[in-house]
Amino acid sequence: KAGVTQTPRYLIKTRGQQVTLSCSPISGHRSVSWYQQTPGQGLQFLFEYFSETQRNKGNFPGRFSGRQFSNSRSEMNVSTLELGDSALYLCASSFSSFSGDTDTQYFGPGTRLTVL
Amino acid sequence: AQSVTQPDIHITVSEGASLELRCNYSYGATPYLFWYVQSPGQGLQLLLKYFSGDTLVQGIKGFEAEFKRSQSSFNLRKPSVHWSDAAEYFCAVGASYNTDKLIFGTGTRLQVFP
Repeated sequence: KAGVTQTPRYLIKTRGQQVTLSCSPISGHRSVSWYQQTPGQGLQFLFEYFSETQRNKGNFPGRFSGRQFSNSRSEMNVSTLELGDSALYLCASSFSSFSGDTDTQYFGPGTRLTVL
Repeated sequence: AQSVTQPDIHITVSEGASLELRCNYSYGATPYLFWYVQSPGQGLQLLLKYFSGDTLVQGIKGFEAEFKRSQSSFNLRKPSVHWSDAAEYFCAVGASYNTDKLIFGTGTRLQVFP
């Protein structure tokens, strides 16, 4: 079974631009989460989507947004980029049972975003 | 609020030596606990997880972890480290009910000397 894929793997943008990152989950997985990883802040949760609905959201400004499509693929968008948005953005997918119990997340290789 | 502490930022061991990486969590109910490993420039790979049952959990690559509720710990161990184990290791706890969100520790960077 193919793992979580993320595109693009590397991206260079300038301040003020916007960017869209894509994530394809493991086949059959219904939940997709996004995390930002930086040397200073570590791994921080951005948001989680389940069945095309945002189920959980982290403490990031409104410039960060996401969505999930009916095939569970997800995109995240960052508008008006700032230098501090430079980071590794990781996507994770999980099957996510209806019991509500935490399910195991499997991570993609990440997208390295550099903002100049 | 849930939190995870990894007290050791950087650990150096010799190849063949035993390893223990520490993880302490703060969580009100029975936690869902995970260990992930990250090689430079890569994503996170799941090593093992604890949901319930046997408190000693076996994972991939010869790693194991022991859940100790009384100490709020979930330490990762390996009896004999290989040079390829050099990486960053993250402990994480499932945030709460009806979400798969993870709360991560700050990570421990493992360096292995030949």
